Order: sequence, then C-alpha cells, then structure tokens
Amino acid sequence: GAVVSQHPSRVICKSGTSVKIECRSLDFQATTMFWYRQFPKQSLMLMATSNEGSKATYEQGVEKDKFLINHASLTLSTLTVTSAHPEDSSFYICSAQLGERGTDTQYFGPGTRLTVL
Amino acid sequence: AQSVTQLGSHVSVSEGALVLLRCNYSSSVPPYLFWYVQYPNQGLQLLLKYTSAATLVKGINGFEAEFKKSETSFHLTKPSAHMSDAAEYFCAVSETYDMRFGAGTRLTVKP
Repeated sequence: GAVVSQHPSRVICKSGTSVKIECRSLDFQATTMFWYRQFPKQSLMLMATSNEGSKATYEQGVEKDKFLINHASLTLSTLTVTSAHPEDSSFYICSAQLGERGTDTQYFGPGTRLTVL
Repeated sequence: AQSVTQLGSHVSVSEGALVLLRCNYSSSVPPYLFWYVQYPNQGLQLLLKYTSAATLVKGINGFEAEFKKSETSFHLTKPSAHMSDAAEYFCAVSETYDMRFGAGTRLTVKP
C-alpha cells in the first residue's frame, strides 16, 4: 500500500528557532497534501492544504508567515515552523492524496512531535 | 502502541438505509477515539470523539458511535443514509499524542 513518511519523528528546539518538517509520499505521486496539528487529547486540526507547484491554502486562524508550507514536488511537502515558541509544541501530521481525482483516498504520515523549550 | 483497524474498505448502502462502519482499536491505556470524514479534495472533518465520558457518542450529521471496551470496538452508525453522506471515513485512536488512523472506509450511497 501507499506509504507516507515524515521526518523527523521527534524534534526538540529552543524558543526562537525554526524547525522544518518533511512529508514524503514514498511510492506514489501526491498532487495534494494536508497538514494537521494535534494538541494533547484533542482531535486533529487542519492547518493547510498544499498543492504541488502552487501556494498552500491555509485554514482560518493559521498564520501563514509562521507556518511556511512548500510543496516543491509531487512527492515532497515541507512545513517550517518559524520562530517557534512553546505554544507551538504539538504533534504535526501530514497526509498525501493519491492521484489527481478528488475521490482518491489519502494516506497519513506517522507524525512529528515538536517540543519547543 | 495504539492502532486501529477498519473492516471493509468500501461500504455501499441505499439511501435511507442504515449505515454501519466498523472500527476496532488496540491501546495499552484507555484511549481517545475519533471518527473523521473526508469529502473530495478537502481535509478531514471531525464527526465525533470519545474521551471516556458516555459510551454512546453523538456527532454531527446524525452520526453516532458506541464505545465497547469488551469488544475493543467503536463502530460508526447512522439510522438513515443520505446521498450527501457519500465520502471517506477514518477511525482514529490517540492515547495522548500520536494519533493513529485506520485505512479508511469509502461509503457509497445509492439512490
């Protein structure tokens, strides 16, 4: 089956630094990738929709300048948390949609746990 | 580590019929359980969640799910399917962080 990887799986950083998280579709091309975050004991919150070769579409309330998303190729999307603060500590999950049709399913990465000190 | 199994990658029902989407979980601690729905080209939307309160959880759009610890199940039901329910549904489990998803079940509703 389709596999999506995320790197790193865990990251600890100091406040004020930037952290990049990679999301890769390993055996398929993903025209659309989604980025989510999860706070402890909470459901996922969609942050943005990323389409290859175009700007990401951010959900209301998500700061574009803080959470930079780049979808440079059909197999890679990156999320950069700029000037991270402790409140950005969270679990970040990406998913990749197989194929170009809207009816194709999406596959989830294993997630990245970010801790900002 | 927690995990989720969704039985049936595709489910087809007639409009007005009962919807039953199956989900079984594995968790070493009392879990939090979620059902999400995905419409074409959109991100996930939360349907409902179980957080150790009432075992029967009511969600949006007429869906509900029952947590059965003895069966390690959290099946999603709706008494009467509507055409607009056609979508992909994901069951997920989380212990604190680290949400894990099932493979998804695509629901088709026939007129």
